[in-house]
Amino acid sequence: DAGVTQSPTHLIKTRGQQVTLRCSPKSGHDTVSWYQQALGQGPQFIFQYYEEEERQRGNFPDRFSGHQFPNYSSELNVNALLLGDSALYLCASSFVAGGRETQYFGPGTRLLVL
Amino acid sequence: QKEVEQDPGPLSVPEGAIVSLNCTYSNSAFQYFMWYRQYSRKGPELLMYTYSSGNKEDGRFTAQVDKSSKYISLFIRDSQPSDSATYLCAMSEGNTGKLIFGQGTTLQVKP
Repeated sequence: DAGVTQSPTHLIKTRGQQVTLRCSPKSGHDTVSWYQQALGQGPQFIFQYYEEEERQRGNFPDRFSGHQFPNYSSELNVNALLLGDSALYLCASSFVAGGRETQYFGPGTRLLVL
Repeated sequence: QKEVEQDPGPLSVPEGAIVSLNCTYSNSAFQYFMWYRQYSRKGPELLMYTYSSGNKEDGRFTAQVDKSSKYISLFIRDSQPSDSATYLCAMSEGNTGKLIFGQGTTLQVKP
């Protein structure tokens, strides 16, 4: 059973450009969350998608947007890139069982903005 | 003040030592507490999941939650070089959605 997969693994962009990151959840998972992890910091919650809707959002500007497809895969889009957007972007998939949600993380996409 | 505080270390111990990792938090609404392990250039991997206060043991790992003190701990017994990684505490108010992470503590176990 494949775990959470993300693409691409690495990406280099310049300021002002736009980027799209992709995530495929674990088999059987219907929920996808995105996190940003700056170097030396813990992950910060961007948003969560369930049933193709944004269910919850963290404290990130509107430049960060997402989408979930009917097969539960998800995209994270970031517009007008800033140098400070350089980070590891993590996708986590989950489903609720027994009243508990466990988030399983992918390996991440490392984004460098020059 | 951050919602979750975690000493970033680094923490260096000899093989076989008992390791204690800790987090404090300010939000009394947190009810679900997790510890993740992250190896270099990898995604976080769930180690322990605890609901509310109490202890939970899994092999060499023990998680403790003290909600009255807003303090959680992870103990690693008989530490191994393969335990060298960054340990992240995480917590949430509800059983779904947003996880709030600490900064992570980098642990090195020397042979």
